[in-house]
Amino acid sequence: AQKVTQAQTEISVVEKEDVTLDCVYETRDTTYYLFWYKQPPSGELVFLIRRNSFDEQNEISGRYSWNFQKSTSSFNFTITASQVVDSAVYFCALSENSGGSNYKLTFGKGTLLTVNP
Amino acid sequence: EPEVTQTPSHQVTQMGQEVILRCVPISNHLYFYWYRQILGQKVEFLVSFYNNEISEKSEIFDDQFSVERPDGSNFTLKIRSTKLEDSAMYFCFTARERGTDTQYFGPGTRLTVL
Repeated sequence: AQKVTQAQTEISVVEKEDVTLDCVYETRDTTYYLFWYKQPPSGELVFLIRRNSFDEQNEISGRYSWNFQKSTSSFNFTITASQVVDSAVYFCALSENSGGSNYKLTFGKGTLLTVNP
Repeated sequence: EPEVTQTPSHQVTQMGQEVILRCVPISNHLYFYWYRQILGQKVEFLVSFYNNEISEKSEIFDDQFSVERPDGSNFTLKIRSTKLEDSAMYFCFTARERGTDTQYFGPGTRLTVL
């Protein structure tokens, strides 16, 4: 069975600090997808990134970067120079290649990030 | 930017009542899902739907739940007799193909059962 662990329940930083959100996953599949979603106080789920298991290149998008390491089953997310608007709950999720039409996501419990001015 | 829409945004109901949550997927999407998030907890898979039938359902998705796509556009989740523990945010999720970036969550329906 697949599992996603986000060990950090809450993180609090001061604006402009860098912050890394950890995600560790478990899966028996060799083909799978990893995701990060942001959930602001308004409640919607905002897609940030999708990574497939064959693509271990790190990704950078503006102030966001992701470090995917299959050897440690981790997919960590770093926000550089954090801003107050980054305050949200961040979820890591995993989708296995279980065949057919399945796109089932298994989510971690989320990390509440608070960026203080 | 295409959007998945959900109605209503917030529904309040009495325990034991039936509720129907509606989702309008993006027009060329083929895979439909419902997820649930109890307040303060993680997002959980409920059910997947493809080619007019359920592909997979979780343990949460018991006989009180049903899904359908009655008119080829709306995708609905029905809870026949709501319980207090059904209070949650319900998210519709749709995808054009598995394994691509063409996948979207709707904004959610907050269901409150009194």
